[in-house]
Amino acid sequence: GDSVTQMEGPVTLSEEAFLTINCTYTATGYPSLFWYVQYPGEGLQLLLKATKADDKGSNKGFEATYRKETTSFHLEKGSVQVSDSAVYFCALPSNTGKLIFGQGTTLQVKP
Amino acid sequence: NAGVMQNPRHLVRRRGQEARLRCSPMKGHSHVYWYRQLPEEGLKFMVYLQKENIIDESGMPKERFSAEFPKEGPSILRIQQVVRGDSAAYFCASSSDSALANEKLFFGSGTQLSVL
Repeated sequence: GDSVTQMEGPVTLSEEAFLTINCTYTATGYPSLFWYVQYPGEGLQLLLKATKADDKGSNKGFEATYRKETTSFHLEKGSVQVSDSAVYFCALPSNTGKLIFGQGTTLQVKP
Repeated sequence: NAGVMQNPRHLVRRRGQEARLRCSPMKGHSHVYWYRQLPEEGLKFMVYLQKENIIDESGMPKERFSAEFPKEGPSILRIQQVVRGDSAAYFCASSSDSALANEKLFFGSGTQLSVL
């Protein structure tokens, strides 16, 4: 069945460091791909999305490119801030309407 | 336009009691999804409901758990005879339709259930 695999965390970086969080997927067809972010004590919020191969989703300095050939959707940011500390989830929609999430990657940014 | 509202924010129950978690979707949304987040784990799908119908309950345990989304009022996730392993954050999400390719889910802030 469809699935999403993320790199394990936690990821600890210093402020202004470069961030990559890996995400690979297994799916039938070419679904849209999403990154959600969960700040401490809150629900998930959509961070960015890509709807077809080679699309690049971007928001708040984060980017992710839909790579069909490697079935990947890695999240990147050139310079992280303390306020980016959160849990990041990669996700794709199943054909029954629900979102399938990866296990989440915790990012901690230190000043 | 209020977002997805979940209550209570925190719920404490003793083993054997019942837990009722409420979710009011965003205005105009008729699709509701419940997810469970266990400590150190990701979000696991539980159930997908439309008004008065359960569409997909493949992620919900067969015993003790039930969900409803009546014509009027919030969606309810009910856990009977809670056990310590039920302690988790339960998130509700809503959408205006099931075409998630160009849609997104709006999540509530969750209910943290603690079973003593």
